[in-house]
Amino acid sequence: AQSVSQHNHHVILSEAASLELGCNYSYGGTVNLFWYVQYPGQHLQLLLKYFSGDPLVKGIKGFEAEFIKSKFSFNLRKPSVQWSDTAEYFCAVIITSGTYKYIFGTGTRLKVLA
Amino acid sequence: DGGITQSPKYLFRKEGQNVTLSCEQNLNHDAMYWYRQDPGQGLRLIYYSQIVNDFQKGDIAEGYSVSREKKESFPLTVTSAQKNPTAFYLCASSAGLAGGGSSYNEQFFGPGTRLTVL
Repeated sequence: AQSVSQHNHHVILSEAASLELGCNYSYGGTVNLFWYVQYPGQHLQLLLKYFSGDPLVKGIKGFEAEFIKSKFSFNLRKPSVQWSDTAEYFCAVIITSGTYKYIFGTGTRLKVLA
Repeated sequence: DGGITQSPKYLFRKEGQNVTLSCEQNLNHDAMYWYRQDPGQGLRLIYYSQIVNDFQKGDIAEGYSVSREKKESFPLTVTSAQKNPTAFYLCASSAGLAGGGSSYNEQFFGPGTRLTVL
């Protein structure tokens, strides 16, 4: 069955540290990939997305993600985190061939210490 | 202001009662979705609707029902058959399900409804 794995459930970093959150999916066909973020008390919102073209995509607030097809991965990165990046991050995959599926990972809670 | 509204924010229900969660969008989106969010399990798709008067089961549809009589509205009923209904419920919408360019199936989320069964 198709799935999305986020290996880090909780991450704690100090401000200015670099961030990388892992996301792997299991599906051999064409996918669209997303990272969503949920700040405390706020709506889930889109951070960035990959549909086609350049596998390195840039999103809001200095985040970027790289799609590596051979590794079925779409890891999220930020060179220097801020306290305001404290949030829960969700990776999501859309499979549109055959039965439509929109699959979310289990989420990673990031806490940034000031 | 365009967006998705969900009401109520908090809902309490006695065991054995059905309850309906509201979701309205004014984004003129064709597709709408209901998710359930549980700690450590991420978001799981309950139902989705591609167009008015059509909806499909997601991964965890048992014990839930939906209707899509209007484009703007996609209410979710949590029935007494749902064995573990206490959760945070999120509604979302997108322009469509597939095709149409990179923004077509980007989902926009509402603020959620927290349902507690007493």
